[in-house]
Amino acid sequence: TQLLEQSPQFLSIQEGENLTVYCNSSSVFSSLQWYRQEPGEGPVLLVTVVTGGEVKKLKRLTFQFGDARKDSSLHITAAQPGDTGLYLCAGELIYNQGGKLIFGQGTELSVKP
Amino acid sequence: NAGVTQTPKFQVLKTGQSMTLQCAQDMNHNSMYWYRQDPGMGLRLIYYSASEGTTDKGEVPNGYNVSRLNKREFSLRLESAAPSQTSVYFCASSPMVAANTEAFFGQGTRLTVV
Repeated sequence: TQLLEQSPQFLSIQEGENLTVYCNSSSVFSSLQWYRQEPGEGPVLLVTVVTGGEVKKLKRLTFQFGDARKDSSLHITAAQPGDTGLYLCAGELIYNQGGKLIFGQGTELSVKP
Repeated sequence: NAGVTQTPKFQVLKTGQSMTLQCAQDMNHNSMYWYRQDPGMGLRLIYYSASEGTTDKGEVPNGYNVSRLNKREFSLRLESAAPSQTSVYFCASSPMVAANTEAFFGQGTRLTVV
């Protein structure tokens, strides 16, 4: 079983549409991070949310951390073909000396012109 | 700007062979991680090292061993490779094991076990 459930796993939309990706868990995280990964590369951080209820915006991307710090969402407004890629959420668990980073399954986004 | 460097980039092994994946970071980070990435599974944590001299199991440690050689280097060893270990392996590092840290990833090692 996956500690962090990410949905949907695949999303194919037309340019200009809006979309939301969800990341859910029964565990509480000290922070929740969103990464984007291009083919053949490692993931690259987009944003970190730390406080329950926190909302962060990065141009057309809006990230929200749930009040209980167990879930998060990524909303993209007016998607562009350049948004195509694999989006990953990652939660930081506090364990012993510190946190370990656990990832969701990822959402493969394809935006068609 | 080397960041996190993994070697090799590609490897083919026969079942039962052993190998070590190398990882080094030049950012003076305390924490280092090994993940494997399989289709539909995201990134699964194999082992991590919160600081030099410590290592802990992640979600899928069976069949692997790690060594935190020094602050810069964290290696992953497969003692007897199995086809189920065919995957893309990523090493990552972060400044400190606490809230609100960013993980920096290497470019990955694509391993095939036949």
